[in-house]
Amino acid sequence: DAKTTQPTSMDCAEGRAANLPCNHSTISGNEYVYWYRQIHSQGPQYIIHGLKNNETNEMASLIITEDRKSSTLILPHATLRDTAVYYCIVRANFGNEKLTFGTGTRLTIIP
Amino acid sequence: EAGVTQFPSHSVIEKGQTVTLRCDPISGHDNLYWYRRVMGKEIKFLLHFVKESKQDESGMPNNRFLAERTGGTYSTLKVQPAELEDSGVYFCASSPTPGLAGGTGLYNEQFFGPGTRLTVL
Repeated sequence: DAKTTQPTSMDCAEGRAANLPCNHSTISGNEYVYWYRQIHSQGPQYIIHGLKNNETNEMASLIITEDRKSSTLILPHATLRDTAVYYCIVRANFGNEKLTFGTGTRLTIIP
Repeated sequence: EAGVTQFPSHSVIEKGQTVTLRCDPISGHDNLYWYRRVMGKEIKFLLHFVKESKQDESGMPNNRFLAERTGGTYSTLKVQPAELEDSGVYFCASSPTPGLAGGTGLYNEQFFGPGTRLTVL
């Protein structure tokens, strides 16, 4: 079962920052927070992952609270192509463990 | 670089028939995963290959499902006989072996294919 909870859906205006929260209060010390998204009719796509420090890449930023019990994915300038279901996944980073998907957050970017 | 490919993109069969799905991972990726999403449910893990060996098949629903990866390259997932509840989208993903990706930090990223939509009538 997924170890994360996310809001079912969110809207964001095009061009604004989209902030997607995730709770993972039972996360273990060796577990990372991963974010994937699934755009309609495509396979899931990796976005970013982190352990305890904030992370940024060309797609997004990941802010993890100091106690690691929650995190926020930030899409700095949302576009219509960012409309998708976003999944927050907790996973150990050694080996190649499976991904356990929850229900995710359906993000809709409003023109 | 070519991504993960899956064939067919769609398959419509009748209950009791057999269907074989194929996945071609990214070249050089030792790890290959199968997932599926059945109607209205979450994406669920089925199994994981490391090269040609099954590392974890804990998600396989029953013995009507058979996955193979001969030679450690492409993989097939056969459903025989298919049942109505098998309808859904089957995803394949691949990833390289950790530590062998030149330190890019992406060695645990799973790259997904577009999926095969299976409809059992």
